[in-house]
Amino acid sequence: NAGVTQTPKFRVLKTGQSMTLLCAQDMNHEYMYWYRQDPGMGLRLIHYSVGEGTTAKGEVPDGYNVSRLKKQNFLLGLESAAPSQTSVYFCASSYSGGSRNQPQHFGDGTRLSIL
Amino acid sequence: GNSVTQMEGPVTLSEEAFLTINCTYTATGYPSLFWYVQYPGEGLQLLLKATKADDKGSNKGFEATYRKETTSFHLEKGSVQVSDSAVYFCALSYNQGGKLIFGQGTELSVKP
Repeated sequence: NAGVTQTPKFRVLKTGQSMTLLCAQDMNHEYMYWYRQDPGMGLRLIHYSVGEGTTAKGEVPDGYNVSRLKKQNFLLGLESAAPSQTSVYFCASSYSGGSRNQPQHFGDGTRLSIL
Repeated sequence: GNSVTQMEGPVTLSEEAFLTINCTYTATGYPSLFWYVQYPGEGLQLLLKATKADDKGSNKGFEATYRKETTSFHLEKGSVQVSDSAVYFCALSYNQGGKLIFGQGTELSVKP
């Protein structure tokens, strides 16, 4: 009954370092999403995927890359971390049928601090 | 473009008080509308949804009605509990791909 699992839960990086955030879902969902949450700004979409092997840019894609090599996993990468990327990152997934009406299922988030 | 605007928080209420959190949207076409809730330290959970005009979504005593004429989806609950303390997000989904646009969130604090 795991749903959407994000790893790690917390991370502190130095400016310029790289890292990868992992999202895994066990609901056989086609669609997956990465958001960042900043105070007073709600959630903003970084990148998303509509199926294995596909990715697309969201609202705030700069400084991030993603990959969806397996249907159940969606990776978010920071090649050269910047303090402006300090945030809480959420992964979500959803069923594709009638996608406009389908709710998204969220992980518990990754709190990332860039020093 | 498409957008969602929520009333600013924090909102502080006493237990058993009536709750309204305002949400208005701007969208082309016919979006679906959602309310999500985020408890401290957790991810977002779907609270309720409505997929067409005049639909009413309801769950756990919360209700919201999709009002196309006023482009609104206000969240209401008749009697709040301390356990309802959380951040509430209004969101819309406007096309295939299921992408959501979120409001900025409204923090609710319920005091005993």
